[in-house]
Amino acid sequence: GENVEQHPSTLSVQEGDSAVIKCTYSDSASNYFPWYKQELGKRPQLIIDIRSNVGEKKDQRIAVTLNKTAKHFSLHITETQPEDSAVYFCAASINTGRRALTFGSGTRLQVQP
Amino acid sequence: DTEVTQTPKHLVMGMTNKKSLKCEQHMGHRAMYWYKQKAKKPPELMFVYSYEKLSINESVPSRFSPECPNSSLLNLHLHALQPEDSALYLCASSQRALTQETQYFGPGTRLLVL
Repeated sequence: GENVEQHPSTLSVQEGDSAVIKCTYSDSASNYFPWYKQELGKRPQLIIDIRSNVGEKKDQRIAVTLNKTAKHFSLHITETQPEDSAVYFCAASINTGRRALTFGSGTRLQVQP
Repeated sequence: DTEVTQTPKHLVMGMTNKKSLKCEQHMGHRAMYWYKQKAKKPPELMFVYSYEKLSINESVPSRFSPECPNSSLLNLHLHALQPEDSALYLCASSQRALTQETQYFGPGTRLLVL
């Protein structure tokens, strides 16, 4: 089955700096890669996603890049703000097969004001 | 309505109790999911319903029993749980199952088994 690894497990940045979180996946058939943000005690919320026919996608301060050959994808947050502090999960899914989403282990991002 | 709702928000139960978690969505989604999330861990898939039929059971113990009465509702019946079952139980929905569809999560039910 699919295996998703996520790094780093914790990340602390100064407000205004950029943050990068990286994930690798094992199944080359995976073709959908969402990123979820989960604030303490709240539900995971989709912040951006990318499909395998696209190499990069951007939404304001958030961007995701995908390298299908290397089987890795990354989340980039620019001009970080304290409200970006949360746990971020990457995930991967295959268009067919048993698993809906396989999540990475999560990255706790702390933005220091 | 673009939200997934869950009740109750918190639940404390003994190991001999029977309780149910409820999930509802009115987005017309035909896939609904139960996840279990332990502290500082990612959500773990438990069950997937597609068009009101159970399509995935991730080898979940029988003390957890899902039910999908209609396309908007998803229940999780709990019986004879163990303390290690204490966790946040998340419901999610998407347009369809097992495709590149966005999954929308509910706020979760925080369960404590004593």
